[in-house]
Amino acid sequence: EVQLVQSGAEVKKPGATVKISCKVSGYTFTDYYMHWVQQAPGKGLEWMGLVDPEDGETIYAEKFQGRVTITADTSTDTAYMELSSLRSEDTAVYYCVSAFDIWGQGTMVTVSS
Amino acid sequence: DIVMTQTPLSLSVTPGQPASISCKSSQSLLHSDGKTYLYWYLQKPGQSPQLLIYEVSNRFSGVPDRFSGSGSGTDFTLKISRVEAEDVGVYYCMQSIQLLTFGGGTKVEIK
Repeated sequence: EVQLVQSGAEVKKPGATVKISCKVSGYTFTDYYMHWVQQAPGKGLEWMGLVDPEDGETIYAEKFQGRVTITADTSTDTAYMELSSLRSEDTAVYYCVSAFDIWGQGTMVTVSS
Repeated sequence: DIVMTQTPLSLSVTPGQPASISCKSSQSLLHSDGKTYLYWYLQKPGQSPQLLIYEVSNRFSGVPDRFSGSGSGTDFTLKISRVEAEDVGVYYCMQSIQLLTFGGGTKVEIK
């Protein structure tokens, strides 16, 4: 079965860093870019960036440039999204997405003092 | 950046009646390879988005044929021929010709 399984919910303080994982199974990890999407509570979907697992190349949305790092570990077929300098506005569900039709279950990140 | 504009913001539909959602992009989504990179998703309450339509009009595997997509260039439409209770949720269009951007979403509810 093709699936993306994400790590669990996180609670962080402002200024901290969060790192979320996305484990791939059921297809060849390097066949598709891995995207990350943010969804704030009650809001729409916002693209954060992508990684090409084949060579590690990344592209980031301007909004998150400088704070987000997306990586891919081909030894474990896992992608990661790290977001630093967290603020309350980063409270959201974060999804990994592959090939546009495969979504992770989402990881809730709460930023609160 | 390509801006995706969806209308309406919300729809209240009687079961069995049709529904239509519009999505307009600020730039053409037609690629030089001949494909148009416009997708439609449904996000049911409490779930991850699920792909309904890819490249304007192709139904994804398992998607009922009451869903159809049409359009070209910058103007696109998702139609549900007969809305069912299971169709409630928020519908999003998305473009992938230039990175990714999503429309703001259209909430569909049942009357």
